[in-house]
Amino acid sequence: GNSVTQMEGPVTLSEEAFLTINCTYTATGYPSLFWYVQYPGEGLQLLLKATKADDKGSNKGFEATYRKETTSFHLEKGSVQVSDSAVYFCALEGSGYIPTFGRGTSLIVHP
Amino acid sequence: EAGVAQSPRYKIIEKRQSVAFWCNPISGHATLYWYQQILGQGPKLLIQFQNNGVVDDSQLPKDRFSAERLKGVDSTLKIQPAKLEDSAVYLCASSPSRGSSYNEQFFGPGTRLTVL
Repeated sequence: GNSVTQMEGPVTLSEEAFLTINCTYTATGYPSLFWYVQYPGEGLQLLLKATKADDKGSNKGFEATYRKETTSFHLEKGSVQVSDSAVYFCALEGSGYIPTFGRGTSLIVHP
Repeated sequence: EAGVAQSPRYKIIEKRQSVAFWCNPISGHATLYWYQQILGQGPKLLIQFQNNGVVDDSQLPKDRFSAERLKGVDSTLKIQPAKLEDSAVYLCASSPSRGSSYNEQFFGPGTRLTVL
């Protein structure tokens, strides 16, 4: 079956540091890939998505590139802010349009 | 535009009792999802509806869980009887439809269930 593996958290950074959260997946065919974010006390919301190989999703300074050869969709941001502190979930939608989520990675940004 | 509504927000029950959760998706969204999120884990899909038909319920424990989406709008998820391991946040989400152009999911605030 489909699966998503994310790096363990928490990831702790200082403000303006570079962020990478690793995500790899297992799926047949060509799934759509997503990053969702959950800010403290709020529901999950879509951060960015990519639907085919080599696509780059971007939003709010975050980027992720769909790499089919390495089955990866790593999330990056050049300069994090305290307000980016949240839990980040990598997800895929595979054949049959069935979604699968990773465990989530907590990001803590210190001033 | 109103978001996905869920109720109740919190529920505490004894094991072997029954409980029901309600979800009202975004108006016009054809696809509705119920997830179970155990503390420290990602959301696990329980059931997916397209309009009022079930698309996937392969991870729904059908001996105790049931869900329906009458008229393709609101949905209810029921647990009967509850077990301790059912303690989790139950999330409802909706999307305009299925397929890569429509598959952004919009999540409700969730219902936190505690089974004692």
